Amino acid sequence: AQSVAQPEDQVNVAEGNPLTVKCTYSVSGNPYLFWYVQYPNRGLQFLLKYITGDNLVKGSYGFEAEFNKSQTSFHLKKPSALVSDSALYFCAVREGSNYQLIWGAGTKLIIKP
Amino acid sequence: KAGVTQTPRYLIKTRGQQVTLSCSPISGHRSVSWYQQTPGQGLQFLFEYFSETQRNKGNFPGRFSGRQFSNSRSEMNVSTLELGDSALYLCASSLILPGSSGANVLTFGAGSRLTVL
Repeated sequence: AQSVAQPEDQVNVAEGNPLTVKCTYSVSGNPYLFWYVQYPNRGLQFLLKYITGDNLVKGSYGFEAEFNKSQTSFHLKKPSALVSDSALYFCAVREGSNYQLIWGAGTKLIIKP
Repeated sequence: KAGVTQTPRYLIKTRGQQVTLSCSPISGHRSVSWYQQTPGQGLQFLFEYFSETQRNKGNFPGRFSGRQFSNSRSEMNVSTLELGDSALYLCASSLILPGSSGANVLTFGAGSRLTVL
């Protein structure tokens, strides 16, 4: 069965430091991987996706994610965090032949000035 | 172009009542899906519609129902409300066709926050 794990409920980072939000997945076939962000009192916004090709995917707001097949991970990264990056981040996976997305529990990212 | 519009944004109901939430997708999007978001359970899939047909359904009781109209607008209904139904209900629309091999990027509305007293 497909599953997604976001092992950290909350990540705290100082402004200007690099940030990483972790995501691991389990699917039986080739994964399609996504990151979405949710700002307070708003719906989710798409950040980036991995389908195939280059393992390093670049997305909105300076975020990027690295697909690691051997570790079944798709960690979200940003070289220099901004206070405005504080939000709830969701990882999602879809196995190639299955249309339905499976969502992680979300990670709250707090960037301190 | 306009985004996904959900109404109402906030509502308060009492146990036993029923509620109807509305979602207008992005123009041209024919797929609409609904999610329930709670602090404890995270994001839970309710159902998905495409061209007025329910394509997928999550593990929710029959009190939760939905439909899609010919203009792709969708409604979800929850009958006999329970305290545990208090949540943010999110609607998302997608351009992708069912069964497509592409990656479905969802565009979410701001949600309808339901409080059941």
